[in-house]
Amino acid sequence: AAGVIQSPRHLIKEKRETATLKCYPIPRHDTVYWYQQGPGQDPQFLISFYEKMQSDKGSIPDRFSAQQFSDYHSELNMSSLELGDSALYFCASSLPRIDSPLHFGNGTRLTVT
Amino acid sequence: GEDVEQSLFLSVREGDSSVINCTYTDSSSTYLYWYKQEPGAGLQLLTYIFSNMDMKQDQRLTVLLNKKDKHLSLRIADTQTGDSAIYFCAERVLYTGTASKLTFGTGTRLQVTL
Repeated sequence: AAGVIQSPRHLIKEKRETATLKCYPIPRHDTVYWYQQGPGQDPQFLISFYEKMQSDKGSIPDRFSAQQFSDYHSELNMSSLELGDSALYFCASSLPRIDSPLHFGNGTRLTVT
Repeated sequence: GEDVEQSLFLSVREGDSSVINCTYTDSSSTYLYWYKQEPGAGLQLLTYIFSNMDMKQDQRLTVLLNKKDKHLSLRIADTQTGDSAIYFCAERVLYTGTASKLTFGTGTRLQVTL
């Protein structure tokens, strides 16, 4: 079965650089979520989209932005990177129903040096 | 509140049962989930339960929900070394017609010894 695809798998950036993470949801899933997981931490909700519109916002820094495109893939743009942004970034997708579970991708590991 | 708490560590012998516990605070939670995360890997959905259910069984996994006490548990029967991982419980609350998100617990590291 198709899963959530995230790219790149690993990314190394320097401080103050920008990064773009991509997420391709499971086919027919039109709801996308972004989570950030720091070392030894639980995943923290950043932002979600439904039908290309932002549906909920969590602890996402102003330096980050995201969008969902017409093919339902999503991109998380991160600017002015800081050392503390080093983390595993997960994307998840679901159908727009409360009984549709979130399926997660394998994540993008971002390292800021 | 959206605090979801778990004990940090559990060690069991191979073949024994494991019970991982979770408490949550948001009484409007609709679904509760268990995810498994192996080192450096993604979050694998194990099972989930609707908030009006008390129990759900899926092969070696049994989920028990005590909604009155806001307590969720995951029992793994005949625990194997391959079950060693971090287990996250997560609650899902519907905020608007389309907005819902998962709030994760702190995670329980399960260590299976021979």
